[in-house]
Amino acid sequence: NAGVTQTPKFQVLKTGQSMTLQCAQDMNHNSMYWYRQDPGMGLRLIYYSASEGTTDKGEVPNGYNVSRLNKREFSLRLESAAPSQTSVYFCASSEGTGGYTIYFGEGSWLTVV
Amino acid sequence: GESVGLHLPTLSVQEGDNSIINCAYSNSASDYFIWYKQESGKGPQFIIDIRSNMDKRQGQRVTVLLNKTVKHLSLQIAATQPGDSAVYFCAENNYGQNFVFGPGTRLSVLP
Repeated sequence: NAGVTQTPKFQVLKTGQSMTLQCAQDMNHNSMYWYRQDPGMGLRLIYYSASEGTTDKGEVPNGYNVSRLNKREFSLRLESAAPSQTSVYFCASSEGTGGYTIYFGEGSWLTVV
Repeated sequence: GESVGLHLPTLSVQEGDNSIINCAYSNSASDYFIWYKQESGKGPQFIIDIRSNMDKRQGQRVTVLLNKTVKHLSLQIAATQPGDSAVYFCAENNYGQNFVFGPGTRLSVLP
């Protein structure tokens, strides 16, 4: 049981380039999330998908887009990367929103130069 | 991967001692809380959770205490081992809202 799998693990981008982070979960969870983690700060929610077919903005959505491809997969796209988007990105999933445990992937380290 | 949380508070404990990690949460309406462990270069790992209708919950070597009066959560780790070295952070949830995560505390286990 892999849980939450995200790719790539590491990526270096030049300012202005675009890329997509992929995420898949095999726990049959309804809800999926993308967070970013910066030094000394708590995880901040970028976007989430409460259920298949829906997506909503979180705390820090600017510069990102998401796609809930199906129940298993939730991708995060940076259309024009900026140095401020250098961070560690975590995909996560839960059975539902509100009061359900969130399970995380192993992270994607993104550097924008 | 570079470790996050470079400027976190650090708790240093001797191997075999008990550890207590504290967390102050922000929303008095929060009714579900989780403690996560994050090792360097890895994703957060669920340790234990507690709901607001409880004051204490025990797991294997871990205990979570919830004090709703002062909005305080603590994680106690018994007989701390080298493998417990990591960043620990709490998360709070108000049903229907998204989780809010604390920045964490780095636990360093001394031999």
